[in-house]
Amino acid sequence: AQKVTQAQTEISVVEKEDVTLDCVYETRDTTYYLFWYKQPPSGELVFLIRRNSFDEQNEISGRYSWNFQKSTSSFNFTITASQVVDSAVYFCALSEAGRSGANSKLTFGKGITLSVRP
Amino acid sequence: GAGVSQSPRYKVAKRGQDVALRCDPISGHVSLFWYQQALGQGPEFLTYFQNEAQLDKSGLPSDRFFAERPEGSVSTLKIQRTQQEDSAVYLCASSLVQGEQFFGPGTRLTVL
Repeated sequence: AQKVTQAQTEISVVEKEDVTLDCVYETRDTTYYLFWYKQPPSGELVFLIRRNSFDEQNEISGRYSWNFQKSTSSFNFTITASQVVDSAVYFCALSEAGRSGANSKLTFGKGITLSVRP
Repeated sequence: GAGVSQSPRYKVAKRGQDVALRCDPISGHVSLFWYQQALGQGPEFLTYFQNEAQLDKSGLPSDRFFAERPEGSVSTLKIQRTQQEDSAVYLCASSLVQGEQFFGPGTRLTVL
């Protein structure tokens, strides 16, 4: 069975601070995908990133960066110079590679509520 | 292009009523997923379609929940004899390639 743990529940920072959101996962599969989604107050889940289990390179996209470490089963997300618009709930998710070309469900963590104060 | 749309956005039902929630996926997306998100929790998988075939319904919580996608496009999630514990946001997602799911705005169901 697969599991995603987001131990932090709420984080509050002041604008321009850096913040790291932690994600730890469990899976028996050797091939899997990891995701981060953002859920602003409007409620719609916004896709941020997908990484496959064979690609451990860290990725940077603007103020966002992701650190994938298979040795510790972690996929952490850092926001540099946070802004008020970053305030949202952030979900880490895992999917196993589908068999026979079938797609695979996402298993989500419980989410981290990030509040960025001006 | 248009994203995933869901209707209604809000639904209030009296306990025992039947409800039907609609999802219009992104055109051409063969995969469609339904998730249930309780307040303060992450979304939880309900069921998955590839075209019109329901390949996985392991997440449906009871036989009161039923989903269909008869023509491989629009999908309907039906809940019969609603109960208070069914109150949640129901999210639909569609996908063209492995794993990258695009979500709709959700339907917030409140059962009184």
